[in-house]
Amino acid sequence: EAGVAQSPRYKIIEKRQSVAFWCNPISGHATLYWYQQILGQGPKLLIQFQNNGVVDDSQLPKDRFSAERLKGVDSTLKIQPAKLEDSAVYLCASSLGDYRGPFRGANVLTFGAGSRLTVL
Amino acid sequence: AQSVTQLDSHVSVSEGTPVLLRCNYSSSYSPSLFWYVQHPNKGLQLLLKYTSAATLVKGINGFEAEFKKSETSFHLTKPSAHMSDAAEYFCVVSDFGNEKLTFGTGTRLTIIP
Repeated sequence: EAGVAQSPRYKIIEKRQSVAFWCNPISGHATLYWYQQILGQGPKLLIQFQNNGVVDDSQLPKDRFSAERLKGVDSTLKIQPAKLEDSAVYLCASSLGDYRGPFRGANVLTFGAGSRLTVL
Repeated sequence: AQSVTQLDSHVSVSEGTPVLLRCNYSSSYSPSLFWYVQHPNKGLQLLLKYTSAATLVKGINGFEAEFKKSETSFHLTKPSAHMSDAAEYFCVVSDFGNEKLTFGTGTRLTIIP
């Protein structure tokens, strides 16, 4: 099966500019996640969608970050205006989101290769 | 609240010797635990997962991990390191029924030829 697609792979912008990242999850995966991975740290969840609804956006800096998944398939993450501290790799992941059966609670994610943002 | 602590930020082993990457977790309920690997410029890949079945979990590429509830640990091991194992490894926890994953800070594994 095709993996999680992300674009662009690399982006360099100046502070106060805007940027958008796109993600296309694995076909049939109901749940989509955006993570931020700052150099030397583990990924941090920014937002989680179940179909086209938001499940968790508690760590999304809503004054500058926004995300949407209008048709329950692909998603866009936007940053406007960007700050120096937004330099990171933005990872998209998807999962079936099926919590029935013996693997209830086992949330197995498939990650994309990430989009590396450098803010100058 | 759930959390994981990876006890070593960097581990170096010689090729052909055993690998041990340590992880302790904190979880309010019966947790799901995972190890993910990240090779340079590549996406995170699932190595193995624990979901309250057998406490010794076998993963891909010869890795395995043992869930020890009494020690709240989920250490990753491999009997014999290979050069291709050089990567960043993340221990991850998810509370039962909670869809949110919490990542550790990672352990960088270096293999010495």
